Amino acid sequence: KAGVTQTPRYLIKTRGQQVTLSCSPISGHRSVSWYQQTPGQGLQFLFEYFSETQRNKGNFPGRFSGRQFSNSRSEMNVSTLELGDSALYLCASSPGGGINEKLFFGSGTQLSVL
Amino acid sequence: AQKITQTQPGMFVQEKEAVTLDCTYDTSDPSYGLFWYKQPSSGEMIFLIYQGSYDQQNATEGRYSLNFQKARKSANLVISASQLGDSAMYFCAMREVNTGTASKLTFGTGTRLQVTL
Repeated sequence: KAGVTQTPRYLIKTRGQQVTLSCSPISGHRSVSWYQQTPGQGLQFLFEYFSETQRNKGNFPGRFSGRQFSNSRSEMNVSTLELGDSALYLCASSPGGGINEKLFFGSGTQLSVL
Repeated sequence: AQKITQTQPGMFVQEKEAVTLDCTYDTSDPSYGLFWYKQPSSGEMIFLIYQGSYDQQNATEGRYSLNFQKARKSANLVISASQLGDSAMYFCAMREVNTGTASKLTFGTGTRLQVTL
């Protein structure tokens, strides 16, 4: 069974640009969540999608948005990029987001904002 | 207040030895789950082990075991027979039921484990 796939693996953008990251969950998984990892703030929850609906959102500005498609694939968009958005963005999937479910992560997208 | 505390920024262990990575947590929720993940330099977060707050026995997954002490609010990871490939960052994380979504994890700051010959 294929794992969580994130594309692209690396991305370089300049301030003010926007970026879209993609995540394909494990087959059969309907919950997809996104995390930002930085050296200063560590791992922080961005948002979670289930059946094309956002179920919860972390404390990030509105420049961070996402969506989920009917095949459970998810995209995350960051508009008007800032230097502080440089981070590893990790996507995770689980069957339904239940309390006892394991969360499986992808390899992440390393975003550098210049 | 920190919800997940990992007090060991770095640890060294010799190959074939056992090592314990510490994790304490803080929650008022009676139902929660505790996770350990391994993050090698490649960046991927690899699931290691899970312990539910109502589980009676400590979780084990191969060479990994979780020393769960509920009253002390600690969930230490024990790696037996360390291997060179175990060198990585290790994160403890907690999932609480009352977050609105069960998929939201709160992570600790991590422990960097280095396995030596």
